[in-house]
Amino acid sequence: GAGVSQSPSNKVTEKGKDVELRCDPISGHTALYWYRQSLGQGLEFLIYFQGNSAPDKSGLPSDRFSAERTGGSVSTLTIQRTQQEDSAVYLCASSLDWGGYTFGSGTRLTVV
Amino acid sequence: GQQLNQSPQSMFIQEGEDVSMNCTSSSIFNTWLWYKQDPGEGPVLLIALYKAGELTSNGRLTAQFGITRKDSFLNISASIPSDVGIYFCAGQLNGQNFVFGPGTRLSVLP
Repeated sequence: GAGVSQSPSNKVTEKGKDVELRCDPISGHTALYWYRQSLGQGLEFLIYFQGNSAPDKSGLPSDRFSAERTGGSVSTLTIQRTQQEDSAVYLCASSLDWGGYTFGSGTRLTVV
Repeated sequence: GQQLNQSPQSMFIQEGEDVSMNCTSSSIFNTWLWYKQDPGEGPVLLIALYKAGELTSNGRLTAQFGITRKDSFLNISASIPSDVGIYFCAGQLNGQNFVFGPGTRLSVLP
């Protein structure tokens, strides 16, 4: 597609439930990144996929967080047993190899 | 690991004023990017810098890649209300992942 698409744009969930956030990167972009942005804060790196290489999961805050990228394209970020501190905007970005990142509009997650 | 600092953290200016913000690092980079994030949106790339000393303009925006390769500056001339947002710098060294700064929050008063 023309840009990075994220869905849903907003998600409200009850504490303890699992959520899945989706990212459709720009077609042909080999690299895909997930970031988390808490209210009024900067960008917190979560995970990075590059081609067929093993993902860099060094930013995932706990084992409740996981992500996969199927067929080198669409990615899903899963948060299990959500907690209130998981409330944030989750941003996805993609790039060609090591070029500049193009961000999606994010998914605003609210855990109540 | 590498960290970037941005200053100021936030600023309030009058419409029409010029704005200056900077980004500093304890380590060198060979690519600098400046992004702007509008409320409720993802960051959008404004300017990319690839060479020490490089000065690049994009409309009212001008950014410079510091000679030491450890800093970068972004200037906005004659600010307008739609300049409101968070400005992030990002640095990259030798094809590694970009490191993002914490952002400068700009408010423009009419």
